[in-house]
Amino acid sequence: KAGVTQTPRYLIKTRGQQVTLSCSPISGHRSVSWYQQTPGQGLQFLFEYFSETQRNKGNFPGRFSGRQFSNSRSEMNVSTLELGDSALYLCASSRPEEGGGISPLHFGNGTRLTVT
Amino acid sequence: GNSVTQMEGPVTLSEEAFLTINCTYTATGYPSLFWYVQYPGEGLQLLLKATKADDKGSNKGFEATYRKETTSFHLEKGSVQVSDSAVYFCALGTSGTYKYIFGTGTRLKVLA
Repeated sequence: KAGVTQTPRYLIKTRGQQVTLSCSPISGHRSVSWYQQTPGQGLQFLFEYFSETQRNKGNFPGRFSGRQFSNSRSEMNVSTLELGDSALYLCASSRPEEGGGISPLHFGNGTRLTVT
Repeated sequence: GNSVTQMEGPVTLSEEAFLTINCTYTATGYPSLFWYVQYPGEGLQLLLKATKADDKGSNKGFEATYRKETTSFHLEKGSVQVSDSAVYFCALGTSGTYKYIFGTGTRLKVLA
């Protein structure tokens, strides 16, 4: 079974540009989450989508946005890039646990974004 | 709000040594607790989980017990190997929030 696939693996952008990152979840997983990982802040939650609906959003500025498509694939977009947006962006998918418990996340290998 | 506190790293051990990585949490309700591991250049992988008090999660020789009275979920392994060198993250999730809270990660280095 294929894992979570994120593209591209690496991106270099300049300040002020925008970027779109893509995530394909594990087949059958309908929940997709995004996290930003930096050495100073660790993993910070960006947003979570389920059946094309955003169910929760972290404390990030409006420059960070996302969406989910009907096939559960997801994209996140960052507009007007700042140097501080340099990070590893991780996508994770999950499926509902039996009995309604908390589902473990299955992570992709991430997209490393460098803003210069 | 909910939070997870992990011991600072790096932790350096010799092969076959005993490992403990401390994790404590603060949460309302009844969270589920997880340990994830991240190898260089990769995303996080689920190592083990526990969904209620006194549950013990285990995998690949690693164990952690969900202690509600001490709000802890410490990771242990009896005999580490060089291949266990990685960054370990403690995390919690609560029903209905659709997000996890992660600790800052603890880097483990095992020397041959």
